[in-house]
Amino acid sequence: KNEVEQSPQNLTAQEGEFITINCSYSVGISALHWLQQHPGGGIVSLFMLSSGKKKHGRLIATINIQEKHSSLHITASHPRDSAVYICAVEKGGSEKLVFGKGTKLTVNP
Amino acid sequence: DAMVIQNPRYQVTQFGKPVTLSCSQTLNHNVMYWYQQKSSQAPKLLFHYYDKDFNNEADTPDNFQSRRPNTSFCFLDIRSPGLGDAAMYLCATSRVEGAPGQPQHFGDGTRLSIL
Repeated sequence: KNEVEQSPQNLTAQEGEFITINCSYSVGISALHWLQQHPGGGIVSLFMLSSGKKKHGRLIATINIQEKHSSLHITASHPRDSAVYICAVEKGGSEKLVFGKGTKLTVNP
Repeated sequence: DAMVIQNPRYQVTQFGKPVTLSCSQTLNHNVMYWYQQKSSQAPKLLFHYYDKDFNNEADTPDNFQSRRPNTSFCFLDIRSPGLGDAAMYLCATSRVEGAPGQPQHFGDGTRLSIL
């Protein structure tokens, strides 16, 4: 079983819809990262969380340390949000990232 | 803007012909990472440098080597590429100062094809 599990694997939405992507992990962590990867490869760091909630524009990330669960929300989704969203964790004591398999989001106009 | 730059964006090489991918950073970060990402898979860490200290992942093939001549540059050398080495190679940097939770800054990647 992977240490980081994401759901759903694929997600298709209509423009304007509220999006939720989930991440569960089974190890002790020091931080959790949400990353965005567009077709063509480059990865952008969206959030880094160790507790609570963070918001940046239309993106919101939450983490529940007790339940070992994090969610990424996108409000008022737009076709330019189409990308693969990756959850990754820093296991306690290491700066190396353990990655989930990603969620491919497609937002249709 | 400070950034992580990978060259080239696309690299084609022949089976068995050595190839070098490069990564440079203007962030002055002390840690540099090389990842391999195959189609529809998560990035897989090959190795990382903590300053000059080289850290190899246990399952990284011997065919893969790395050099970091200075803080700004890091190279990935594939000595004898096989068809299974065709992938996107991603370089990332971070500033690790003993505290957890530092973001990693990624380059745009080099897509390697093997003929």
